[in-house]
Amino acid sequence: ETGVTQSPTHLIKTRGQQVTLRCSSQSGHNTVSWYQQALGQGPQFIFQYYREEENGRGNFPPRFSGLQFPNYSSELNVNALELDDSALYLCASSLWGDSGANVLTFGAGSRLTVL
Amino acid sequence: ELKVEQNPLFLSMQEGKNYTIYCNYSTTSDRLYWYRQDPGKSLESLFVLLSNGAVKQEGRLMASLDTKARLSTLHITAAVHDLSATYFCAVDRHNFNKFYFGSGTKLNVKP
Repeated sequence: ETGVTQSPTHLIKTRGQQVTLRCSSQSGHNTVSWYQQALGQGPQFIFQYYREEENGRGNFPPRFSGLQFPNYSSELNVNALELDDSALYLCASSLWGDSGANVLTFGAGSRLTVL
Repeated sequence: ELKVEQNPLFLSMQEGKNYTIYCNYSTTSDRLYWYRQDPGKSLESLFVLLSNGAVKQEGRLMASLDTKARLSTLHITAAVHDLSATYFCAVDRHNFNKFYFGSGTKLNVKP
């Protein structure tokens, strides 16, 4: 069973640029979520996708957008990068509809630095 | 907005000692999760607590949930250096599928 994989692992951008981060969900999972983790903080929910549709969004502006593909892989796009966007971006997958816990399986993250 | 608070934020302890990390949350929730994060690594699921009074144990770690007090605890027994990491609690509203994380407790166990 493969876990959640993310790419790239590290990247550096300048203010105003755009970035795309990618995620492959764990096999058998149908839901993907994205979280932003600033240094020394807990992860903050960005949004979640289920069946290729956005299914919940946190307090992030519209320049944060995403996609989920039929194979349950996902992308996070951030336009007009700002310095405060520097963070670790975590992708997490889960199985929606599981009547019990909704345990998230996290990837290793993509560390974005905006200069 | 649901808020999750952990304390302490930093914990330095000697091997062999016991300690408890506390997690308070602001509104009703019936599901509480504990995760561990090693430096530069992702989050690893430790415990899932699904009901009031739930208690889970794995090795030297034991987690409990009191939904009436909106409080979860993570108890460390006879700490060892390998437990050094940052521990997060998280809450999700039933069927909302959006996790709210605490700020984390950075644990350093000194040999």
